[in-house]
Amino acid sequence: EIVLTQSPGTLSLSPGERATLSCRASQSVSNNYLAWYQQKPGQAPRLLIYGASSRATGIPDRFSGSGSGTDFTLTISRLEPEDFAVYYCQQYVSSWTFGQGTKVEIK
Amino acid sequence: QVQLVQSGSELKKPGASVKVSCKASGYTFTRYAMNWVRQAPGQGLEWLGWINTNTGNPTYAQGFTGRFVFSLDTSVSTAYLQIISLKAEDTAVYYCARAEGELSPWGQGTLVTVSS
Repeated sequence: EIVLTQSPGTLSLSPGERATLSCRASQSVSNNYLAWYQQKPGQAPRLLIYGASSRATGIPDRFSGSGSGTDFTLTISRLEPEDFAVYYCQQYVSSWTFGQGTKVEIK
Repeated sequence: QVQLVQSGSELKKPGASVKVSCKASGYTFTRYAMNWVRQAPGQGLEWLGWINTNTGNPTYAQGFTGRFVFSLDTSVSTAYLQIISLKAEDTAVYYCARAEGELSPWGQGTLVTVSS
């Protein structure tokens, strides 16, 4: 089973700042089968990024994904008030597994 | 539009069973796998497994064999999650999600509360 470890656990930032979230896999994620999701309180997760770097339909271009192999990054270039949420990475190479999440909170 | 609509909240006693439904619309149901994910209160996302909507063959994540059962009714484009012999630790929001590798869209979630 591929284990995903996200860091940091919590990121305290102000609107307008840049957010950098990390997701590290216990083994290589082939074909970059890595996705990122955003979840707000009381809501279902929403797909942001798939294939490590492709934005899902309707996702603003301030969200970007990068990385390959075992190290992946989600970057939010300038935080908007609606971006404060929990973010999860997920691999779909070998079944599906999620990271434990990173909470982006208002500083 | 592509949409998954789940059944409403459930309150069950320990030892009972529950069946959560997930009705798909806006696409050909049998072209995409259906995944199930749960989220305990205040916790992260936990993958339960998936079902091949073409063959009906289920695959369960480690730790979710035996009491968790995935099924389908393709005539009404609906997937089901049944949990048998409920325990207090099964209290969670249960989500279905269409899979094309990545998961999208997701159902709105069904809260299952297990309490005596």
